Amino acid sequence: EPEVTQTPSHQVTQMGQEVILRCVPISNHLYFYWYRQILGQKVEFLVSFYNNEISEKSEIFDDQFSVERPDGSNFTLKIRSTKLEDSAMYFCASSDGTENTGELFFGEGSRLTVL
Amino acid sequence: DQQVKQNSPSLSVQEGRISILNCDYTNSMFDYFLWYKKYPAEGPTFLISISSIKDKNEDGRFTVFLNKSAKHLSLHIVPSQPGDSAVYFCAASYFQGAQKLVFGQGTRLTINP
Repeated sequence: EPEVTQTPSHQVTQMGQEVILRCVPISNHLYFYWYRQILGQKVEFLVSFYNNEISEKSEIFDDQFSVERPDGSNFTLKIRSTKLEDSAMYFCASSDGTENTGELFFGEGSRLTVL
Repeated sequence: DQQVKQNSPSLSVQEGRISILNCDYTNSMFDYFLWYKKYPAEGPTFLISISSIKDKNEDGRFTVFLNKSAKHLSLHIVPSQPGDSAVYFCAASYFQGAQKLVFGQGTRLTINP
């Protein structure tokens, strides 16, 4: 069964460092997303991406965040200067954009720890 | 921002009995609702969804009920099995196929043998 894959599974970084989280969405999907879950809190929408541009973003997704689809398969989230409060599990998701179920397929997540 | 609320952080049910997970929402613009299940160290997995034009959707052991006037939905699992032990998230969107999902805080369901 096709799945969304994410790397790394866990990254530890120093505050102020740049981090890139990588995702390989399901191959025939057209919409890509990043969500995050701070420990003990709800899963929060960060950004959606379609046709090589951001289609929607939340207030969390400020200038320190950026997304890119550098080639035909990868979808990346870059955090330019990490802060302690960026520590969270980051989930990539993709969807085919149809209205069958509105289902998003999530990856297993990348845990980011900022020290 | 508590647009989607799951007021029970945890629920414990005996194997074979019915599990009922509840979710309330405040935004009347939400038109489509989904339930996701999450095991530790895994991403959320889609379980079942319902459009606001329906009041019930069933898939095997899982049934979702929607009471639009009360802004309340529930997920029924019957019979409950040990493999159902997980965190269950309710999510809402403005329309079916919308890109942004608004999640509740989750309910940890434990099925006891």
